[in-house]
Amino acid sequence: EADIYQTPRYLVIGTGKKITLECSQTMGHDKMYWYQQDPGMELHLIHYSYGVNSTEKGDLSSESTVSRIRTEHFPLTLESARPSHTSQYLCASSEFGPQETQYFGPGTRLLVL
Amino acid sequence: DQQVKQNSPSLSVQEGRISILNCDYTNSMFDYFLWYKKYPAEGPTFLISISSIKDKNEDGRFTVFLNKSAKHLSLHIVPSQPGDSAVYFCAASANSARQLTFGSGTQLTVLP
Repeated sequence: EADIYQTPRYLVIGTGKKITLECSQTMGHDKMYWYQQDPGMELHLIHYSYGVNSTEKGDLSSESTVSRIRTEHFPLTLESARPSHTSQYLCASSEFGPQETQYFGPGTRLLVL
Repeated sequence: DQQVKQNSPSLSVQEGRISILNCDYTNSMFDYFLWYKKYPAEGPTFLISISSIKDKNEDGRFTVFLNKSAKHLSLHIVPSQPGDSAVYFCAASANSARQLTFGSGTQLTVLP
């Protein structure tokens, strides 16, 4: 069973506010990911990390930023939220290996008014 | 260009019958394939995976079949149960990239 947590689960916020979405995992996984997903669409990778102090942008351009100061923690920050940021944000983690399975947190559903 | 395609956005089956969800891919470098199940407002849950060296993998009610020549995989659920109603995503990765590419999902509804 995967132990990966995201907070908040739901967030309604006004335009221009700064927000941080939290993601933590207790499995000791080196690799962590952030995806964005809209209803009826595929998951799009926006950020990933292969370990502490490692962060990379994913396939989908995003105005968000991430940090990886501790292995277990991978927060995502939006400096100035806009309605176009409304979406579901999913965090995942995996071990290094030839066949990697990613385990997902419960997600944060963000609504920017 | 979508490298992983799930062409059926929805599927309805009767309880107790077989559910077959399909997925096609275009990237011949993909060598590991996964199926995830997702309920609304929750994160995807890993179901089953298959390596490209196999053509079948089974776990309880779930079986995944891989046809490399056709670049096609399918997930069979038998017997289907109402609790299986969810969106099912297939995903694929290539050894070089090791990132998952997802399909757009199929909404499965199992009718009691």
